[in-house]
Parts: sequence; structure tokens; C-alpha cells
Amino acid sequence: AQKVTQAQTEISVVEKEDVTLDCVYETRDTTYYLFWYKQPPSGELVFLIRRNSFDEQNEISGRYSWNFQKSTSSFNFTITASQVVDSAVYFCALSGWDSGYALNFGKGTSLLVTP
Amino acid sequence: DAGVIQSPRHEVTEMGQEVTLRCKPISGHDYLFWYRQTMMRGLELLIYFNNNVPIDDSGMPEDRFSAKMPNASFSTLKIQPSEPRDSAVYFCASSPGTAGSNQPQHFGDGTRLSIL
Repeated sequence: AQKVTQAQTEISVVEKEDVTLDCVYETRDTTYYLFWYKQPPSGELVFLIRRNSFDEQNEISGRYSWNFQKSTSSFNFTITASQVVDSAVYFCALSGWDSGYALNFGKGTSLLVTP
Repeated sequence: DAGVIQSPRHEVTEMGQEVTLRCKPISGHDYLFWYRQTMMRGLELLIYFNNNVPIDDSGMPEDRFSAKMPNASFSTLKIQPSEPRDSAVYFCASSPGTAGSNQPQHFGDGTRLSIL
């Protein structure tokens, strides 16, 4: 069985602060994929990043960066110099052999960035 | 490029009525997924199709729920009869799905369903 845990339910930061969203996963698959999605207040789900289990290289995209550590089964997401527009619910998700191509989502972390 | 298109965006109906949600996936995508989002259960998979064939419907809650994909460009999720506990946001997603690659899924804007 697969499981994704996002222990932080809500985070509140002031603009320009850095913030890290935690994601811990469980899977028996040797090949699996990790994702982050953003759900802004308007409700749509926006794909941010995909990582496969063989690629532990960290990735940076603008103010966003991701730290994948297989040893601790974690795939954390950091926003540098946060902005009000970053306010959203962020979901970590996992797919692999057990789930076919379906995504197993964490419960999400609600991020509020205040001016 | 057109994304995944869902209709209607909002649906309010009375308990017992039939509800039909519609989805048009991104052209060329082989996989189509239906998810439901509620406060209590979060985002959960209901069913997914590959090349119009249902692959896994283990997430469909009850016999009241059914899904079809008559062709590559259209899918429906039907609830009959509807109940208040079916109130949720229903998302459709599609992905190109090369075997073994688990390509990112692209989501529609969702249908917000309220059953009174």
C-alpha cells in the first residue's frame, strides 16, 4: 500500500520569508513517482513537479526548490522569498506500481502568506 | 492549448436526482482519471481509464456511481440517485501515459456538486 503524509496542516508566514512544506511517503514499489500540485483559492489543481525514484537530484525552479531524499522517504518543497500569490493548498502525491497510474494524495498543506 | 474541460462548473440539485458530470480530456492523452475532493477524505481516486477502457474502479463508492468513456474525447460520471453525502468537488484529469512513465496528470477546473 502507498501512503503520503503531509504533517503540516496549515502554515502562515510573512511575505519574503522562506517556507518548507514537508512530505513523507511510504511505498513498497522500487519504481515510483512523486509529484507536487498547487491548489490556489480558485480551486484548480496545478502541476508543479514530478520526480522519479531513481532521480534524487534536487531541483530548483525560480523561487521553488525540491529536496528528494530516498533514505528518509521525503520529498520536501521550499518556497524562497514567499509572496502573497503563493497562498494556496499544496499537495504531495505518489504513484507507482501498486496504484498503476493513479495518484495517492497527501491531505495537503494550506499556506498563507501575509503582506 | 486547451486543457481538460469539465462541465458543469457548479451543480446544485435535490437528493434523489440523477447527476451527470462531463469531461473532455486533452487531445492525445491516453489516460483519464476521475477524482473526488472532500474536506473529510481529501482527494481520492474514483476510477481511471486507459484508451477508453476502465482499468481501476475500486474507488467508486457505490453502485449509485457509474462512469463511461464512449470515445477518446469524452467521459461522464453519473450519480443516480444522488445523496447529500455525494456533495464534493469532482475533478477529471488526463495524462499522456507512456507505459511506465507516470506522466503528470493535468486537471480540469472541477465540478462543485451540492446535493440538497
